Amino acid sequence: GQQLNQSPQSMFIQEGEDVSMNCTSSSIFNTWLWYKQDPGEGPVLLIALYKAGELTSNGRLTAQFGITRKDSFLNISASIPSDVGIYFCAGYNQGGKLIFGQGTELSVKP
Amino acid sequence: GAGVSQSPSNKVTEKGKDVELRCDPISGHTALYWYRQSLGQGLEFLIYFQGNSAPDKSGLPSDRFSAERTGGSVSTLTIQRTQQEDSAVYLCASRPGVLGTEAFFGQGTRLTVV
Repeated sequence: GQQLNQSPQSMFIQEGEDVSMNCTSSSIFNTWLWYKQDPGEGPVLLIALYKAGELTSNGRLTAQFGITRKDSFLNISASIPSDVGIYFCAGYNQGGKLIFGQGTELSVKP
Repeated sequence: GAGVSQSPSNKVTEKGKDVELRCDPISGHTALYWYRQSLGQGLEFLIYFQGNSAPDKSGLPSDRFSAERTGGSVSTLTIQRTQQEDSAVYLCASRPGVLGTEAFFGQGTRLTVV
């Protein structure tokens, strides 16, 4: 079935550094979503992308919907300790099934 | 409340017992999803309900797992004859029916099978 390949699996960075993570798929998605999950919580939506080529920002977060509709990236600028958590990409297939990547675990050293 | 509500938040059960996990979606949301998340892992799709359509059950790992959604609102995920490998957090999400809109998650139910 459809899968999303997310990388990197984990990142250890210094506070203030920029972060980049991405997702690729073997098939086309019509919507890309990026979620963050804190320990013991459900995932919370960060950014939603609806059109190929779309570049969207939400504060220090920037995400892009790839032109081929098979990839997306998320950038976090000037990371802070509260950025720690697991970031997931997700996309809807044609039938409305919401599929998730494997997650990127972010650790930020003060 | 305004968000997706799941109950119980924690459940400890003995191996071999049946369990029921409940999800109350956001009012008016026609799509509902169940996922399983094992410790340190990603979200494993289980089942998807959309309105009155037949659910997409392609993610259910065995016939011990089943789910229903009554009246297009509340959903119950049932695991029969639980095994230790069923221990995980079970997450529910709902979204409005239109494709391309955001899905909102509940806090999850942490299931421990001892």
